[in-house]
This record gives sequence, structure tokens and C-alpha cells, in this order.
Amino acid sequence: KNEVEQSPQNLTAQEGEFITINCSYSVGISALHWLQQHPGGGIVSLFMLSSGKKKHGRLIATINIQEKHSSLHITASHPRDSAVYICAVPGGGADGLTFGKGTHLIIQP
Amino acid sequence: DSGVTQTPKHLITATGQRVTLRCSPRSGDLSVYWYQQSLDQGLQFLIQYYNGEERAKGNILERFSAQQFPDLHSELNLSSLELGDSALYFCASSVGERGPEQYFGPGTRLTVT
Repeated sequence: KNEVEQSPQNLTAQEGEFITINCSYSVGISALHWLQQHPGGGIVSLFMLSSGKKKHGRLIATINIQEKHSSLHITASHPRDSAVYICAVPGGGADGLTFGKGTHLIIQP
Repeated sequence: DSGVTQTPKHLITATGQRVTLRCSPRSGDLSVYWYQQSLDQGLQFLIQYYNGEERAKGNILERFSAQQFPDLHSELNLSSLELGDSALYFCASSVGERGPEQYFGPGTRLTVT
């Protein structure tokens, strides 16, 4: 079974700061998912990546397959980025995901 | 809006009861996954169906069962409910049996009293 570790668990930053959230996993994978969950519960898929780097607006995700590590970066952070960010990898059988515990991010104005 | 719908949004019921949660996948998606999010266990995979057939089981209790119908919607049945079953239940859908990408529904919040 794949073990997924995220850090930090909690992060409070000022508006405009560059944010980095890290994710490590124990078993080789085909792809890694970054998810966002706002208060109120809905989950949004931000990225699915299997190599290199992806960018969407102010969000950047990178993955190093050899080191079994991925990072999610937020540039020019804004209070609306406040949410829980969750890393997930296949590992639940077929394509069921195994999740990290999430990083609770608060961006203060 | 992911295109995945779940009903109901909220459900409050008593211990010992049985409930059914419903999920409609995105148009064209053949896989449906069910996930449970609780305060103590976090998010965990319960079960996956692909084109009507069960494909994978995760940490699904024997009191829980699911099925996927010919129109590809899925139902998760929870019986003999316990207080610990209170959680958010998400479904997700994807095009193929192995993803690639999963799209999450808004979730059903179940409260067992």
C-alpha cells in the first residue's frame, strides 16, 4: 500500500507570499493528483501529473519520480487560496486513490 | 462544476438505520469511485465500479454496499448505521478503468445521531 506524507500540516502566510507544499510517497506511481478542498467540503482536482511540471494560473505542480516527491507552489498568494490542499496517488486497488492528510493553508490579507 | 452530481447534499438519520446515497458521473465517464472523509480517518477509498462491474475495493465495511446501474449512475448503501459512520461521502468519476483524471462530486454529508 502506498504511504503518502504531506508537509506542512498547517501553514499561515501573508498575502503575496510564495507558498510551497510538499508530498512524498512510498511506492512508484503512474500519476499523482493535487486536490483542493474549501471550507464547506467540495473537492476540486487541481493537477494530475506523471512527470515534470504543470502550471495553471498562479499554481505550479512539480514531480520527481525518482525521488517519489511532488511539490505544489502558489505564487502571489491571495486570501481566496485559503483551503486544504491534498496530495493523492493510486494505491487503493485499480485506480482508487490514497490520500495525504492535507495541508491546511490560511492566507492573511 | 465538475459535472458529477450527488444526492442528497445532507442526510441526518439515526443509529441502526439504512440510507442510500446516489451519484451520477460526468457524461461519458464509465468509472465511479466512492470515498469517505471522516475527521479521524481522513479521506479513504471505498469502492470502484467500471461500466457496471465492481473493479476494486478499499476500506469498505461489510455493512456498506454499492452498485452501478446500466445508465452508469451509482448508489452507495449504508446499513446498520453507527455514530462513526458520520462523514462526508464523495463520489468521483473518470473516463477509463484507470482514470486518468478523477472528477469529484460535491459530496453527501451524513450525520448519524
